[in-house]
Amino acid sequence: QVQLVQSGAEVKKPGASVKVSCKASGYTFREYGISWVRQAPGQGLEWMGWISAYSSATNYAQKFQGRVIMTTNPYTSTAYMELRSLRSDDTAVYYCARARREPTQNWFDPWGQGTLVHVSS
Amino acid sequence: NFILTQPPSVSESPGKTVTISCTRSSGSIASYYVQWFQKRPGSSPRPLIYEDNQRRSGVPDRFSGSVDTSSNSASLTISGLKTEDEAEYYCQSYDSTYHGVFGGGTKLTVL
Repeated sequence: QVQLVQSGAEVKKPGASVKVSCKASGYTFREYGISWVRQAPGQGLEWMGWISAYSSATNYAQKFQGRVIMTTNPYTSTAYMELRSLRSDDTAVYYCARARREPTQNWFDPWGQGTLVHVSS
Repeated sequence: NFILTQPPSVSESPGKTVTISCTRSSGSIASYYVQWFQKRPGSSPRPLIYEDNQRRSGVPDRFSGSVDTSSNSASLTISGLKTEDEAEYYCQSYDSTYHGVFGGGTKLTVL
């Protein structure tokens, strides 16, 4: 079955970077994209960006431009989301979701189990 | 950019029908597909509806999506409410630059 399995929880200090992985299985990785979404404690869902596993094209939310890098490794069917210059308000659960190969953000299915990133001094 | 506005909370009794609205602040609701997700604490978002009104495989037909161009809004309707439907529901769409936006979420209480 189609599945996305994310890396484990992380604790980081302010100013550090975190890299979350999302390993796909059950489908042809390069035929789709991966979108990243986060949810801070007590807050709603927030779209962070998208990467095409076919072309490696990316599209980042303005809020994260310059601070986020999304990549893929087609050989291991794994997508990565690296967030730099972490702040306390980056504390959140980060999700990956299978998306279209094209940048249209109209379909996220399925989702990974989520990765908690806690930023604290 | 644009905003998707959802009511913070709705409540209804088991067996009844509830509708959750999602109003787009700018840009035509008809021009950009809307998705709906169910979110329970501690679980990943569960896709319910994509492309405005397409039900994801395995989702009961009690869940339906629609779009109303006159109010520039989308709606998620849940009929025959069950206590297990109690959760937070999010709409999502995008803009001409393909940036995604989520609504603020609606907490559904089934009492």
